[in-house]
Amino acid sequence: AAGVIQSPRHLIKEKRETATLKCYPIPRHDTVYWYQQGPGQDPQFLISFYEKMQSDKGSIPDRFSAQQFSDYHSELNMSSLELGDSALYFCASSRGDTTRDTQYFGPGTRLTVL
Amino acid sequence: LAKTTQPISMDSYEGQEVNITCSHNNIATNDYITWYQQFPSQGPRFIIQGYKTKVTNEVASLFIPADRKSSTLSLPRVSLSDTAVYYCLVGDKGNQGGKLIFGQGTELSVKP
Repeated sequence: AAGVIQSPRHLIKEKRETATLKCYPIPRHDTVYWYQQGPGQDPQFLISFYEKMQSDKGSIPDRFSAQQFSDYHSELNMSSLELGDSALYFCASSRGDTTRDTQYFGPGTRLTVL
Repeated sequence: LAKTTQPISMDSYEGQEVNITCSHNNIATNDYITWYQQFPSQGPRFIIQGYKTKVTNEVASLFIPADRKSSTLSLPRVSLSDTAVYYCLVGDKGNQGGKLIFGQGTELSVKP
């Protein structure tokens, strides 16, 4: 079965650079969630989209922005990168945006900021 | 938001049944209880979800008492490959959609 695809899988950037993470949801899934997981920490919700509209926002820095495109893929744009942005970034998709709708996570993008 | 409390860690041996209990005293009427499993450097994986009583699938069972203030994930006959972090999540429904709020999970270590 098709799974959530994230690219790139690994990314190394310098401080103050920008990065773009991409997420391709499971076919026919209309909701995308982004989570950040720092070293030794639990995943933290960043932002979500339902039917190409932002549906919720968590602890996402103003330096980050995201959108969901007409084909339902999503991109997380990160600017003015800081050392503290080094983390695993997971995208999850679901069909529907309620509690009952199971979220399927991608393999993650490991971002390292030097 | 309903806060969850789980044991930080648990140890078990291969072939044993493992029960991980989660407390969620402030669970709302519309909230569902969901459990995820996460291996190091991998995305969380859905295990099971329930609203009340008992739910069973091919990998686990979920027991939820009538007051829904706690739930217990039961893993039958664990193997070494079940060593992972297990998260209990109570859904945040309504206007705020289905985002998952991860608290501190339970690090399960299965020994031979």
